[in-house]
Amino acid sequence: AQTVTQSQPEMSVQEAETVTLSCTYDTSESDYYLFWYKQPPSRQMILVIRQEAYKQQNATENRFSVNFQKAAKSFSLKISDSQLGDAAMYFCAYKGVSGTYKYIFGTGTRLKVLA
Amino acid sequence: GAVVSQHPSRVICKSGTSVKIECRSLDFQATTMFWYRQFPKQSLMLMATSNEGSKATYEQGVEKDKFLINHASLTLSTLTVTSAHPEDSSFYICSAIWTGAMNTEAFFGQGTRLTVV
Repeated sequence: AQTVTQSQPEMSVQEAETVTLSCTYDTSESDYYLFWYKQPPSRQMILVIRQEAYKQQNATENRFSVNFQKAAKSFSLKISDSQLGDAAMYFCAYKGVSGTYKYIFGTGTRLKVLA
Repeated sequence: GAVVSQHPSRVICKSGTSVKIECRSLDFQATTMFWYRQFPKQSLMLMATSNEGSKATYEQGVEKDKFLINHASLTLSTLTVTSAHPEDSSFYICSAIWTGAMNTEAFFGQGTRLTVV
């Protein structure tokens, strides 16, 4: 069975600085998708970034980028130029390409942005 | 991105009554919908997966007779918490995908905060 691990329950970053959130996963599949979701206080889940496992190039979305290390099964999220609005819970998620299409979520990392 | 609307956003019900939560995909056909439960400061716990026109698949430990899921159309799934008790109080979230494409992402509803008094 697939698992997703986020080892940082909480992180803090100074406004305008850079922070990296860690995520590791375990799977026997060769093709899959990885996601980072943001859950602000409103609790609406918002997709931050997505990575297809077959793509070697790391995904980037404006200030958000990932470091995808397939062999190491690592998928970290880097937030550059942190803003107060980035404060939220961040969940790493895994989705296989076959079967039930279930998402497997990590336990989350609470990011605090300090003014 | 696509929009998933969940209703109601908050509901308070008396112990022993039933409450229905709706999850609608507004601009796409949701072949599969997922229902999650989220406890405070915790991750999303998958309760069940529902495919349009078929019975839901429940995760281990989830009582299917208590949490009734119906996915009768490609745009609507409902979760009914039957004979609710205070321990059922939680935040419930739905998500929907269209399985016609391999790289489809899940879109989430706004969530429903259920309080059973």
